[in-house]
Amino acid sequence: EVQLVESGGGLVKPGGSLRLSCAGSGFTFSNAWMNWVRQAPGKGLEWVGRIKSKPDGGTTDYAAPVKGRFTISRDDSQKTVYLQMNSLRTEDTAVYYCATGGYFHDYWGQGTLVTVS
Amino acid sequence: DIQMTQSPSSLSASVGDRVTITCRASQSISSYLNWYQQKPGKAPNLLIHTASSLQSGAPSRFSGSGSGTDFTLSISSLQPEDFATYYCQRNDTIAFSFGPGTKVDV
Repeated sequence: EVQLVESGGGLVKPGGSLRLSCAGSGFTFSNAWMNWVRQAPGKGLEWVGRIKSKPDGGTTDYAAPVKGRFTISRDDSQKTVYLQMNSLRTEDTAVYYCATGGYFHDYWGQGTLVTVS
Repeated sequence: DIQMTQSPSSLSASVGDRVTITCRASQSISSYLNWYQQKPGKAPNLLIHTASSLQSGAPSRFSGSGSGTDFTLSISSLQPEDFATYYCQRNDTIAFSFGPGTKVDV
């Protein structure tokens, strides 16, 4: 069974930093492209960014609102993908989900709440 | 930047109804369009990818169609578990933006 478990959310002040983790199991993590998607309270879904698998280059792409502030990385030995968030703003408050998939997101974690206040 | 819109933003329906939701892209995205269902407090669930391919495990009452700029998600006979919010998502470039969502309620 595929499982994705996010952790690391919490309360942080504006301008602060936070690192989220997403641990995967039940699939070949090293071959998976991994994404972060967020959802502000009561709002819709917003794609944040993704990291390709190392065989596919391991490169990252980001949505415009987070480019230059957020960094996605991966540790395939730990089957974990990370989202390093710097220079946080109040508008970054959201539930952050990790999700698998290069062109569509077929598995999702349960999400972790980040509150910037 | 390509913008995604959905209509209606919300709709009320009854069990057994046929429901159709529309997603429109401001420029052609070929068939690079996905549909997700989300229930309150839960992660989204993939229903349809590449405009019309039913995701494994998704009920066959869901179907998708369209290409270019206009897409539809149809539910042939609404079931109690289908009351949720539905999002389209473009995946034609590296920016996989979502539509604003359509809430289906009773």
